[in-house]
Amino acid sequence: DQQVKQNSPSLSVQEGRISILNCDYTNSMFDYFLWYKKYPAEGPTFLISISSIKDKNEDGRFTVFLNKSAKHLSLHIVPSQPGDSAVYFCAASPFAQGGSEKLVFGKGTKLTVNP
Amino acid sequence: DAGITQSPRYKITETGRQVTLMCHQTWSHSYMFWYRQDLGHGLRLIYYSAAADITDKGEVPDGYVVSRSKTENFPLTLESATRSQTSVYFCASKPTGKDYGYTFGSGTRLTVV
Repeated sequence: DQQVKQNSPSLSVQEGRISILNCDYTNSMFDYFLWYKKYPAEGPTFLISISSIKDKNEDGRFTVFLNKSAKHLSLHIVPSQPGDSAVYFCAASPFAQGGSEKLVFGKGTKLTVNP
Repeated sequence: DAGITQSPRYKITETGRQVTLMCHQTWSHSYMFWYRQDLGHGLRLIYYSAAADITDKGEVPDGYVVSRSKTENFPLTLESATRSQTSVYFCASKPTGKDYGYTFGSGTRLTVV
């Protein structure tokens, strides 16, 4: 049973426009959420995170929104740049429950930003 | 060099052979993890470790063995490789505390023929 779902395998946007990547989760124990970016032949790199006590977190062009009631989070990239073309993974953790600090990852969304 | 390194980057092995993938980190992070990435499955946790000599299973542990005698090393061994273990393997580490994301290595692409 998939606890973190990224239902769009791919997304294509024009340079300068907004990219919106979506993620849904099913486990109500998740309280910490992260986005990772992955380029081909490289390991994923941490992008941005949000705790369940917040509903928004910004870092430059990247903003993550969390809707706890809908168990939904989204990553907004504004403006999108060709260098943003990568696979984006959503991840979640039940950190407050204690234990392992394991992350559960979605399957990823491949973003292509066209010049 | 500081960071997390995986070796080898590429490996081809035969079915039934034992193969070990190495992971080394220089930060003395408490936690270390092994994930595999497969098309259509994303990143799946194989094993993880909270500290030296403490390891636990993840989502897909069958066919794999880990050890962690030193904080900085976390090798992953495939005892008898199968074709279904063809994948890209990523090691990651993180310090204790939730404000730190994982830092991943560059990955090992393993092909079992």
